[in-house]
Amino acid sequence: TQLLEQSPQFLSIQEGENLTVYCNSSSVFSSLQWYRQEPGEGPVLLVTVVTGGEVKKLKRLTFQFGDARKDSSLHITAAQPGDTGLYLCAGAGYGNKLVFGAGTILRVKS
Amino acid sequence: DTAVSQTPKYLVTQMGNDKSIKCEQNLGHDTMYWYKQDSKKFLKIMFSYNNKELIINETVPNRFSPKSPDKAHLNLHINSLELGDSAVYFCASSQDFAAVTDTQYFGPGTRLTVL
Repeated sequence: TQLLEQSPQFLSIQEGENLTVYCNSSSVFSSLQWYRQEPGEGPVLLVTVVTGGEVKKLKRLTFQFGDARKDSSLHITAAQPGDTGLYLCAGAGYGNKLVFGAGTILRVKS
Repeated sequence: DTAVSQTPKYLVTQMGNDKSIKCEQNLGHDTMYWYKQDSKKFLKIMFSYNNKELIINETVPNRFSPKSPDKAHLNLHINSLELGDSAVYFCASSQDFAAVTDTQYFGPGTRLTVL
């Protein structure tokens, strides 16, 4: 069974601080995806990383895929209140079956 | 335009009842999915269909029966509802399940509460 461990589970920080969310597994995934979910809505894809060692940037968000394609991280620079939400990592396997991490609830205080 | 829609948004029912949740996508995608998100926000796949054919069937009680009348629709019927079925159920769709960069688009969710 493929499992993804996501940490931390909760993060409460001040506006302007930096943060990193980690996603680790003992399994290799064909791709690793990061989603953001707002209350009352479905998850929305932020990024997909496919190649080991790949780094993608989305404004203040930096995503990295581990060399062995088993782990990933999401780094947010200078967090803003609008970044508040639930962040989910998901590993993709056969049939685009997504295995999700437990999620990180981020709260950015102004 | 709503890409992936679900009805109803909220569903409150008694234990033992049978209920259905409907999902429609207007993206022209071939693959559709059902996920369950529990009270701790953990999201887990239940089923996926590609061109009306079942391709993923996780360990889900057989009280849950998905039905795909056509590529654009995937409904979920639940028999003999139990307290543990209370959760938010999300439908999703994607273009091609075989592509590693395939993007899944999620619906807004259906919050099911079993009393």
